[in-house]
Amino acid sequence: LAKTTQPISMDSYEGQEVNITCSHNNIATNDYITWYQQFPSQGPRFIIQGYKTKVTNEVASLFIPADRKSSTLSLPRVSLSDTAVYYCLVGARNNAGNMLTFGGGTRLMVKP
Amino acid sequence: DSGVTQTPKHLITATGQRVTLRCSPRSGDLSVYWYQQSLDQGLQFLIQYYNGEERAKGNILERFSAQQFPDLHSELNLSSLELGDSALYFCASSVVKGAVWGTQYFGPGTRLTVL
Repeated sequence: LAKTTQPISMDSYEGQEVNITCSHNNIATNDYITWYQQFPSQGPRFIIQGYKTKVTNEVASLFIPADRKSSTLSLPRVSLSDTAVYYCLVGARNNAGNMLTFGGGTRLMVKP
Repeated sequence: DSGVTQTPKHLITATGQRVTLRCSPRSGDLSVYWYQQSLDQGLQFLIQYYNGEERAKGNILERFSAQQFPDLHSELNLSSLELGDSALYFCASSVVKGAVWGTQYFGPGTRLTVL
């Protein structure tokens, strides 16, 4: 069965770079890796998506090694407002066919 | 604002009852996804519809069913409710790229409480 795992929590300080890694060893060949940010009682908010190598947008970078069995979300110079839970989402195959799997989420606490 | 709307925002009901959650996707998105988020299970994929047809199925119970209508809105029906069904239910929509999924944008969710 596909398993997508992330660290449960991380602490950081304002202005630091934060890297959160997701392990997804059963990712489907043609599927993308997507990262979301979630605040309490809100829907997940799209951050970044990639297929391989490196993707960068105005808020984050995503690093994906050649085997695509993991990915790392990089948040440059975090601020207090980045305190949230971060999830990776991948498509994988199980006995029933294609399905989507979220990681368990990484609770990021940014301190002043 | 993602452009995905969900109603109602909150729902309180009793065990054994049946409820319907509604989702309207972003304009132009043909695919709708349903997820359940509970404290002990995290975010769980339930089901995907694409242009009215079921496309992929996740951990959806037999007591739960969904459909997507010709105007592309979707409904998730939960029946014979149990205490453990209390959770946040999210809908997401996407423009499907290639063979499988697209970038999903999530609605604000419906909080279901079963007493």
